[in-house]
Amino acid sequence: AQSVTQLDSQVPVFEEAPVELRCNYSSSVSVYLFWYVQYPNQGLQLLLKYLSGSTLVESINGFEAEFNKSQTSFHLRKPSVHISDTAEYFCAVSDLSGNTPLVFGKGTRLSVIA
Amino acid sequence: NAGVTQTPKFQVLKTGQSMTLQCAQDMNHNSMYWYRQDPGMGLRLIYYSASEGTTDKGEVPNGYNVSRLNKREFSLRLESAAPSQTSVYFCASSEQDRAQPQHFGDGTRLSIL
Repeated sequence: AQSVTQLDSQVPVFEEAPVELRCNYSSSVSVYLFWYVQYPNQGLQLLLKYLSGSTLVESINGFEAEFNKSQTSFHLRKPSVHISDTAEYFCAVSDLSGNTPLVFGKGTRLSVIA
Repeated sequence: NAGVTQTPKFQVLKTGQSMTLQCAQDMNHNSMYWYRQDPGMGLRLIYYSASEGTTDKGEVPNGYNVSRLNKREFSLRLESAAPSQTSVYFCASSEQDRAQPQHFGDGTRLSIL
């Protein structure tokens, strides 16, 4: 079975500063990795995903995440955050077999301060 | 493009009452899911349906039942609501291919007094 640990429950950061949201996973098999974002009073939306190939994946709004197999991590980064990035971010893992549903971390609340 | 639609958006119940949360998706997805979201707990899977005609328990199924009515619709029923079931409930759908992401509804905010 897979598990996901998001090391920080809350991350406050000033506008235009860089941010890293940490995610570690545990699995005995190969996995797919996802980051989802949840804006207030909305459902989750896919931000980016790692399936295979390049270990660095990017989203359209400036976030990137790097898959590190040796450290079993998939940390999310943005070099300069905006007020509009204030949201909750969830890391998730799925095994390639398709036998078990997606497993989510507990989430990290990013608060961008003006 | 509706995606995943949940009804109702808000509901207040008294302990012991029953109700059904409705979910419908228009993306022709095979798999559908019900989650609950509580502060500090993230999303916890209640039940899922990998394909039409099948349902399976998730992490927290006690006190809930589900029905996969057809490929589009997946309902969640609380037979006898308890205050511990106060939560935000999310429905999601996806292709069976694990590389494909889940698509979420906007949630149902349920309070049980």
